[in-house]
Amino acid sequence: GAVVSQHPSWVICKSGTSVKIECRSLDFQATTMFWYRQFPKQSLMLMATSNEGSKATYEQGVEKDKFLINHASLTLSTLTVTSAHPEDSSFYICSASRDAGGYGYTFGSGTRLTVV
Amino acid sequence: EDKVVQSPLSLVVHEGDTVTLNCSYEVTNFRSLLWYKQEKKAPTFLFMLTSSGIEKKSGRLSSILDKKELFSILNITATQTGDSAVYLCAVEVGGTYKYIFGTGTRLKVLA
Repeated sequence: GAVVSQHPSWVICKSGTSVKIECRSLDFQATTMFWYRQFPKQSLMLMATSNEGSKATYEQGVEKDKFLINHASLTLSTLTVTSAHPEDSSFYICSASRDAGGYGYTFGSGTRLTVV
Repeated sequence: EDKVVQSPLSLVVHEGDTVTLNCSYEVTNFRSLLWYKQEKKAPTFLFMLTSSGIEKKSGRLSSILDKKELFSILNITATQTGDSAVYLCAVEVGGTYKYIFGTGTRLKVLA
């Protein structure tokens, strides 16, 4: 149980375009999901907390207008990187917990974004 | 400022060796500490620790938390090449279910 699916696994896009990444909890409902970013050989950096039915909470330094998060249902959160630039190239990964953290968090498989 | 520090940053051992990875933290209102193993892509969950002094064990891996000294260790005995990975420690911040990750320890086990 506690499977989180993330799509796409990798994407290459042109500068200036927008990219949407989906994170789904397949066998449980998640009122809260988290979005992380990871640069090569670095740790996961929390970008934002996605709350079902309300606005996301962004970490300091993360542009909310650039990284749009929508958590429209209990099983789906989306991260849209708007007007992407090469410096946005990174590994984006979501996580969710089936019981608000009691059994730890499950990560999606991640999305490698390359902006050219 | 909340922070999580892992040591060592990198470690190379031979198969059969035992390794100890460290994670120290300073966070507001500690609730839990998690260990993850990350190979090529997404981290996989290893342990969640909430109470001091209670060892969690899974096969050759074990972990313990010291809430007084603010650290946790992850032990791996009889290491195998398949243990080669980055081991991440994450600590929950202020009861918010948000986790701050350490920089990770990159472990390489040589045959």
